[in-house]
Amino acid sequence: AQSVAQPEDQVNVAEGNPLTVKCTYSVSGNPYLFWYVQYPNRGLQFLLKYITGDNLVKGSYGFEAEFNKSQTSFHLKKPSALVSDSALYFCAVRDARSNDYKLSFGAGTTVTVRA
Amino acid sequence: DTGVSQDPRHKITKRGQNVTFRCDPISEHNRLYWYRQTLGQGPEFLTYFQNEAQLEKSRLLSDRFSAERPKGSFSTLEIQRTEQGDSAMYLCASSSGTSGRVEEQFFGPGTRLTVL
Repeated sequence: AQSVAQPEDQVNVAEGNPLTVKCTYSVSGNPYLFWYVQYPNRGLQFLLKYITGDNLVKGSYGFEAEFNKSQTSFHLKKPSALVSDSALYFCAVRDARSNDYKLSFGAGTTVTVRA
Repeated sequence: DTGVSQDPRHKITKRGQNVTFRCDPISEHNRLYWYRQTLGQGPEFLTYFQNEAQLEKSRLLSDRFSAERPKGSFSTLEIQRTEQGDSAMYLCASSSGTSGRVEEQFFGPGTRLTVL
């Protein structure tokens, strides 16, 4: 079984401040981890993924995420948030041992960046 | 636009009617996925195709739901005898099948179904 938890429904930050969106996962084997962002009336957009290797992964729009195996976490970070980063963010996991390629998503975290 | 497209974007139907949604994946992507997203939740996996073969179905996919991908290109998702609980956003995604690589899934804009 595979699952993701996003413990915060909402994150509010001021523009220019650091942004962190938390994610923890559970899988039987090794995880493949993904972050997606969803803007109103638009589909999910891929931000970044962790497959193997360096624990710090860099992605689109200045976002990065840190994989921590001991804490089973994959938190999304941005050093300096923009108002345009306001959106709904989803973490997703896939068990590397599975052969069905399905992703399991968290419930999402709404990020609001105030000017 | 070479992204994943879905049609229609919105569908309102009465309980008991049948509906069909279409998804056109990114060309040359051989994997296609259907997910369902309800308000306040993340997408939930429904089914997955590799080329024309349907390889995985979630238990969420009751016998009222059927999906096809003829010729391994576009896909259709049909819901028969719709119920109010079927109201949701239906998302389609595709990914390439490059051997040895873990590819991200690219999502379409979704079809929002409202069952009255």
